[in-house]
Amino acid sequence: NAGVMQNPRHLVRRRGQEARLRCSPMKGHSHVYWYRQLPEEGLKFMVYLQKENIIDESGMPKERFSAEFPKEGPSILRIQQVVRGDSAAYFCASSPNLRGDEQYFGPGTRLTVT
Amino acid sequence: AQSVAQPEDQVNVAEGNPLTVKCTYSVSGNPYLFWYVQYPNRGLQFLLKYITGDNLVKGSYGFEAEFNKSQTSFHLKKPSALVSDSALYFCAVRDMRDDKIIFGKGTRLHILP
Repeated sequence: NAGVMQNPRHLVRRRGQEARLRCSPMKGHSHVYWYRQLPEEGLKFMVYLQKENIIDESGMPKERFSAEFPKEGPSILRIQQVVRGDSAAYFCASSPNLRGDEQYFGPGTRLTVT
Repeated sequence: AQSVAQPEDQVNVAEGNPLTVKCTYSVSGNPYLFWYVQYPNRGLQFLLKYITGDNLVKGSYGFEAEFNKSQTSFHLKKPSALVSDSALYFCAVRDMRDDKIIFGKGTRLHILP
């Protein structure tokens, strides 16, 4: 059973470009979470999605950031018009239905904005 | 609002000695508590969790954690540290009534040979 997959692992964008980060959850997992980790900091919750639904996006910046988890295909975190402050590691995690279940993390995408 | 605190940025322990990484939490309802470990340039790996039942929870790689409701703590412990335990450790809490997991800032554990 493959783990959570994220691609690309590394992404370099110039200021003003768009960044698209993909996450394929573990087989059988219907819940996806996105986190951002800045250097020497903890994980900051961004958004929680189920298939075709955004459940909680309270951690998402109001502008330029969006996320989706379509019926088919991976979850996408999209950052428009990137700025230097968006440089970070972005982690995706998935879990089965139950709230008590632990999350399984992908290897992360390291975004560098030049 | 729920929160979790890891009061130590870094913990240094000699190999073979017992280790403790501290975590305290705050939730409105009953908590789900988790510990994760992160190795360099990797994602987080689940170590153990407390949902209900026995206050002492055993997890991967010989780690265990003790849930203390009165002190609202969930400290991570291991009887004998290994150099390979050196990593960044995150405590996390989820309120049973919520879907969001809140992570602490992390504690960097250095095991000295």
